[in-house]
Amino acid sequence: DAGVIQSPRHEVTEMGQEVTLRCKPISGHNSLFWYRQTMMRGLELLIYFNNNVPIDDSGMPEDRFSAKMPNASFSTLKIQPSEPRDSAVYFCASSPTSGPGELFFGEGSRLTVL
Amino acid sequence: KNEVEQSPQNLTAQEGEFITINCSYSVGISALHWLQQHPGGGIVSLFMLSSGKKKHGRLIATINIQEKHSSLHITASHPRDSAVYICAVTHYGGSQGNLIFGKGTKLSVKP
Repeated sequence: DAGVIQSPRHEVTEMGQEVTLRCKPISGHNSLFWYRQTMMRGLELLIYFNNNVPIDDSGMPEDRFSAKMPNASFSTLKIQPSEPRDSAVYFCASSPTSGPGELFFGEGSRLTVL
Repeated sequence: KNEVEQSPQNLTAQEGEFITINCSYSVGISALHWLQQHPGGGIVSLFMLSSGKKKHGRLIATINIQEKHSSLHITASHPRDSAVYICAVTHYGGSQGNLIFGKGTKLSVKP
């Protein structure tokens, strides 16, 4: 079975540009999470979807960040405009349950904003 | 004080040694996760547990809810076990994915 698939794996962009990160969760999983990992802050939840509906977006830093899940097999995280402090590894994870359950992570998207 | 504390922060072991990584937390939880992250790599969920003990191959995870403490043990350690091990908890009453993460334990196993 394919795991969680993220793209791109690496992205280098200039400040002010729009960045779109993509995630395909494991088929049949009904929960999807976006996390950000930095050296300073470690792993942080950005947003959590359950059955395609955003449940907890308290971690989304500011209006420059937006996330969508138009269907059960696809989600995007968009940053517009990007800033150097957005440089991080962004992980998508999915889970087969709505309650506490095992998380399956993608390989991450490493974003560098110059 | 962090709500999830791990110890040690760094650990170097010789191949074959028995390894223990500890995690203490200060909040009520509904679940505790142990995650593994190799250098430059993705994150793999090793265990999710809410009570007792789980075993998978050479890895064992235990949790004591009353003491708010969990341990991850690696028996017969191998260089491929070198990674960062992260403890994370689901805060009781919090949303599922809003894990509180520890800062990780960096393990290096020398051949």
